Amino acid sequence: AQSVSQHNHHVILSEAASLELGCNYSYGGTVNLFWYVQYPGQHLQLLLKYFSGDPLVKGIKGFEAEFIKSKFSFNLRKPSVQWSDTAEYFCAVNNAGNMLTFGGGTRLMVKP
Amino acid sequence: NAGVMQNPRHLVRRRGQEARLRCSPMKGHSHVYWYRQLPEEGLKFMVYLQKENIIDESGMPKERFSAEFPKEGPSILRIQQVVRGDSAAYFCASSLTGTRAGEQYFGPGTRLTVT
Repeated sequence: AQSVSQHNHHVILSEAASLELGCNYSYGGTVNLFWYVQYPGQHLQLLLKYFSGDPLVKGIKGFEAEFIKSKFSFNLRKPSVQWSDTAEYFCAVNNAGNMLTFGGGTRLMVKP
Repeated sequence: NAGVMQNPRHLVRRRGQEARLRCSPMKGHSHVYWYRQLPEEGLKFMVYLQKENIIDESGMPKERFSAEFPKEGPSILRIQQVVRGDSAAYFCASSLTGTRAGEQYFGPGTRLTVT
């Protein structure tokens, strides 16, 4: 069955630390990849997406993600986190059909 | 430019009652998706609809759950005879085209609590 894995369930960082959140998926064919963020009390917002082309994708708020096809990975990175980045982050994949398959989410807490 | 609207935001139902969750997609969007998020889990796909058609309901429980997206009005997710295990956050998303070409925009969710 299709699956998306986010191995870090909870991450705690201090402000200005660098961030990398892992995402691995289990499909072999063409995929579209997404990272969504859910701030406390708010709905999911799209951070960035990959459909094709340059595997290094830049999103909003200084986030970027790199698609590595050989590793089936789409890790999210930010060089220097801020307190306002405290949120839950979801990786999602679309391969066939129209549904998104989500990872279990990673809760990030940034200490001021 | 209104985003995806969902109501109610919070819904409390007793076991055995019916729950109706509404979703109005973004203006111009004709693709609607419903997802369920159980506590401490990621979102799970339930159903994908276009106007007046269910396209993919592979994630819907076989019983008690139904969805519609009429020609006029919002999409409705209906849960009959709710049980405690139905307590979850239900998110609606919409897209301009099918997701292979475009991304989905999410609503704020409806948090259903079954007592």
